[in-house]
Amino acid sequence: QQQVKQSPQSLIVQKGGISIINCAYENTAFDYFPWYQQFPGKGPALLIAIRPDVSEKKEGRFTISFNKSAKQFSLHIMDSQPGDSATYFCAASIKNQGGKLIFGQGTELSVKP
Amino acid sequence: GAVVSQHPSRVICKSGTSVKIECRSLDFQATTMFWYRQFPKQSLMLMATSNEGSKATYEQGVEKDKFLINHASLTLSTLTVTSAHPEDSSFYICSARGTSGRARGQYFGPGTRLTVT
Repeated sequence: QQQVKQSPQSLIVQKGGISIINCAYENTAFDYFPWYQQFPGKGPALLIAIRPDVSEKKEGRFTISFNKSAKQFSLHIMDSQPGDSATYFCAASIKNQGGKLIFGQGTELSVKP
Repeated sequence: GAVVSQHPSRVICKSGTSVKIECRSLDFQATTMFWYRQFPKQSLMLMATSNEGSKATYEQGVEKDKFLINHASLTLSTLTVTSAHPEDSSFYICSARGTSGRARGQYFGPGTRLTVT
């Protein structure tokens, strides 16, 4: 019940296209859903995050769509660029558990020029 | 803002020796810091949660006597890998949780690559 399932495992997108990564969860107590971007040999960087009281959040080319009833959330990267090539992790946490994050399995995104 | 540093970035040690990794929150106070381990092409595995001034909470399967964690202040946590063996070779990443202002959220350090020979 603590799992966060992420798909696809890898994704290839042409430059300018839309990259979509999906995550699903079971535990309805999760109340914070961040996305992290990680480049090889680096730590993850917080990209964007959402709480379950909104259905969508947009920051620049990055959008989170959140479907509370389906217990799913997704990351959309508009106008994907080669510099977006990285591994993306979704995560979830429960406020009263001290911020402990449960990570998805990760998606390796490659944007072709 | 919300910068977390780790030192060293890379370390090579001989089997049987101990290695200490530092994690610092540079511009915010972190009452909670987390330590993760990541194998190539895999997700982050939480090893332990450390709270300033108290004992760390270890995840199931993580040996607390092997991975010693000390959270000495609101800006510093250390992970010591004791009696390291080749199977301990991994990428160790810390994160710090800010709870106010621009540092609200969890921010990760750049990671430490440990190689045990």
